[in-house]
Amino acid sequence: KNEVEQSPQNLTAQEGEFITINCSYSVGISALHWLQQHPGGGIVSLFMLSSGKKKHGRLIATINIQEKHSSLHITASHPRDSAVYICAVRSGNYGGSQGNLIFGKGTKLSVKP
Amino acid sequence: NAGVTQTPKFQVLKTGQSMTLQCAQDMNHEYMSWYRQDPGMGLRLIHYSVGAGITDQGEVPNGYNVSRSTTEDFPLRLLSAAPSQTSVYFCASSYSRDYYGYTFGSGTRLTVV
Repeated sequence: KNEVEQSPQNLTAQEGEFITINCSYSVGISALHWLQQHPGGGIVSLFMLSSGKKKHGRLIATINIQEKHSSLHITASHPRDSAVYICAVRSGNYGGSQGNLIFGKGTKLSVKP
Repeated sequence: NAGVTQTPKFQVLKTGQSMTLQCAQDMNHEYMSWYRQDPGMGLRLIHYSVGAGITDQGEVPNGYNVSRSTTEDFPLRLLSAAPSQTSVYFCASSYSRDYYGYTFGSGTRLTVV
């Protein structure tokens, strides 16, 4: 059973489209992270949030703690947004490793020109 | 340049060999962690450290050893490499795993033959 589920697994969009990536989790959390993994493999932290909404440029992240759900939105998508987007949650109680991140499998986004 | 430096970027080992993956950060981060990334799976925590002299096991610690003698360095040792350890390894750090985002290294692609 995966504690963190992302959908869709793969997403292809045309340049300019509005994109939504979803993350659902089953454990109690204190924070949720969105990460971006470039085609070359490097991982960059985009957002860390525990409530509400955060915005950075064309990226918006929202979280609903009651529904255990978060979304990452990309407005006016561009081919350079093509990457794998990873959701990770910080659980307050996960076995013997309290407070470490639990990762989703990622959503592979491809934006066509 | 401030960040997390991982070496080597690529490595091929023979079964039974040992090696150390290096991870260094110059941001005075207390929390450091090692993950492995395998196809079709999310990042999985191998070992982590919340400060110099303190280490603990993550989800998949078998076959790996760590130490944290300084704040800056967190090497990962493969004691006797096995083909099942073929993976991409990432090191990450944070001021604190609880309240801050993470900075990731560029990754090490390890193949065990």
